[in-house]
Amino acid sequence: AQTVTQSQPEMSVQEAETVTLSCTYDTSENNYYLFWYKQPPSRQMILVIRQEAYKQQNATENRFSVNFQKAAKSFSLKISDSQLGDTAMYFCAFRLTGANSKLTFGKGITLSVRP
Amino acid sequence: GAGVSQTPSNKVTEKGKYVELRCDPISGHTALYWYRQSLGQGPEFLIYFQGTGAADDSGLPNDRFFAVRPEGSVSTLKIQRTERGDSAVYLCASSPGAGLNGETQYFGPGTRLLVL
Repeated sequence: AQTVTQSQPEMSVQEAETVTLSCTYDTSENNYYLFWYKQPPSRQMILVIRQEAYKQQNATENRFSVNFQKAAKSFSLKISDSQLGDTAMYFCAFRLTGANSKLTFGKGITLSVRP
Repeated sequence: GAGVSQTPSNKVTEKGKYVELRCDPISGHTALYWYRQSLGQGPEFLIYFQGTGAADDSGLPNDRFFAVRPEGSVSTLKIQRTERGDSAVYLCASSPGAGLNGETQYFGPGTRLLVL
């Protein structure tokens, strides 16, 4: 079975600064995907970024980038130039490749961006 | 529609009642998932459909929970004899099921269920 651990329940960052959210996971499989989802108070789960485990290059999406360390089973999210609209819960998630692959989520982290 | 839609947005019911929650996936998406999110937790998997069939229902907590997707599009999650512990946000997600973005799941806004 796969597990995802987000050990930081809350973080706070000043607007325009950089923040890193941590995530570790455990699996015995070699092929999988990792995701970061954002959930604002509206409840809508929004995909932030995804990483294929077979790719060594870290994924980037504008102000969002990941530090994927496969051997350490670590997948952190870096948010640069933080904006007030980044305030939300952030969930790290794991899924195996192939059909019938459910997402396994961590408990999430509440990020607050201060003006 | 452009995204996954779920109805109702909120549902309040009494203990012991029957409820139905509806999910309308993104057009053309063959895979559909239901998750349950309790307060302060991450979503937990309930059931997965590929087309009309339930490919994996291992996350359903007990036999009071049932889901269908008769035409391979809209899905309904049904909960019988609701209990207070069923109170949660029920999220639906869909994915193309194949191709470059086949692995990414797109979520609806969820239905918040409150059992009194």
